[in-house]
Amino acid sequence: ETGVTQSPTHLIKTRGQQVTLRCSSQSGHNTVSWYQQALGQGPQFIFQYYREEENGRGNFPPRFSGLQFPNYSSELNVNALELDDSALYLCASSSVGQDGYTFGSGTRLTVV
Amino acid sequence: EDQVTQSPEALRLQEGESSSLNCSYTVSGLRGLFWYRQDPGKGPEFLFTLYSAGEEKEKERLKATLTKKESFLHITAPKPEDSATYLCAVQARSSNTGKLIFGQGTTLQVKP
Repeated sequence: ETGVTQSPTHLIKTRGQQVTLRCSSQSGHNTVSWYQQALGQGPQFIFQYYREEENGRGNFPPRFSGLQFPNYSSELNVNALELDDSALYLCASSSVGQDGYTFGSGTRLTVV
Repeated sequence: EDQVTQSPEALRLQEGESSSLNCSYTVSGLRGLFWYRQDPGKGPEFLFTLYSAGEEKEKERLKATLTKKESFLHITAPKPEDSATYLCAVQARSSNTGKLIFGQGTTLQVKP
């Protein structure tokens, strides 16, 4: 097992800019989910991808979008950044029959 | 609305002082209840999944139990290295996305 790897670890962006966060899923995991975790809060579900298709979304606007690639890596794109987008962004992967989800260490995004 | 509430928000224990963390949930049919441990600046680390009322799971000093309305994470004779934020999450049976609904977490500090 190689674990779930996210990049970059930290990022500072200006309000209005766009950002792309990357996730490399654990080997054999065909499902990837993205979560946003504000300071002192639990993670909130953004969306999930399975076999390169989005198959569920939480209460996040369309400026949050994603991609999943054939090698099960994934991207989270956020357009028109707002100050409230400052958070830890977590990627989680899983496979059919797996007990629990494997999370990466996250990307800390700061919007100034 | 599916919801998870954890208590207390923060807990300070002396090394060796056993205690319990509570996770109350409301969900339209429970598929699974998850416990995760999160260290500062890191992603959540999977601990347990519980699927039905009456189920119990143990790992070292941790024991998780489940009823129809709540789950407890019992910590026996904790050590300073058990200091972390403990997150509880539920997955609804009606969800086809694997979405996890998290509580806000309990931050545990164990003093030597």
